[in-house]
Amino acid sequence: ETVLTQSPGTLSLSPGERATLSCRASQSVGGSYLAWYQQKPGQAPRLLIYGVSSRATGIPDRFSGSGSGTDFTLTISRLEPEDFAVYYCQQYDSPSYTFGQGTKLEIK
Amino acid sequence: QVQLQQSGPGLVKPSQTLSLTCAISGDSVSSNSAAWNWIRQSPSRGLEWLGRTYYRSTWYFDYALSVKSRITIKPDTSKNQFSLHLNSVTPGDTAVYYCARGSFSQDSWGQGILVTVSS
Repeated sequence: ETVLTQSPGTLSLSPGERATLSCRASQSVGGSYLAWYQQKPGQAPRLLIYGVSSRATGIPDRFSGSGSGTDFTLTISRLEPEDFAVYYCQQYDSPSYTFGQGTKLEIK
Repeated sequence: QVQLQQSGPGLVKPSQTLSLTCAISGDSVSSNSAAWNWIRQSPSRGLEWLGRTYYRSTWYFDYALSVKSRITIKPDTSKNQFSLHLNSVTPGDTAVYYCARGSFSQDSWGQGILVTVSS
């Protein structure tokens, strides 16, 4: 089973700043099946990025994903107040999925 | 726009079966391009994928190894929904349970149901 490790655990930034979140896999992620989700308290996760770098429907272009192999990054170019939440990466390795433990993005 | 509406009890006794239903609107459980998943979330386990079903001329079922001996997912084409059945539950199965659509990632989620396993 592929283990995903996210860093940092908590990221403290101010609105307008740039956020860089990391996701490292214990083995190479095949087929570019790496996704990112945002979760706010009391809500279900929301898909942001799929296939490493494709934005899901309705996701603003300040969100971008990159990476390959075992190292992946979610970048938020200019933080808006509504972006402060927990972010998870996820990989698909047929037929199962695993998630990272999450990065909490908090207001500094 | 697909919507998933979950229903089921919030409290289950140890050793009993946890059963939840996910009603689909805006898509079909027998779609040839979608997969229908169950995922749970708890402080101790984080987000954990449990299993999925999908239809590609016949029904397929995939289950996580961690629950494979205890889980069944059932599609219901007459009601356009699918269900989760997890038997022999313990307090360790206490979590928020989500249904979600997607094959390589999940683009639509139900609202989540907190299920507590306790006597």
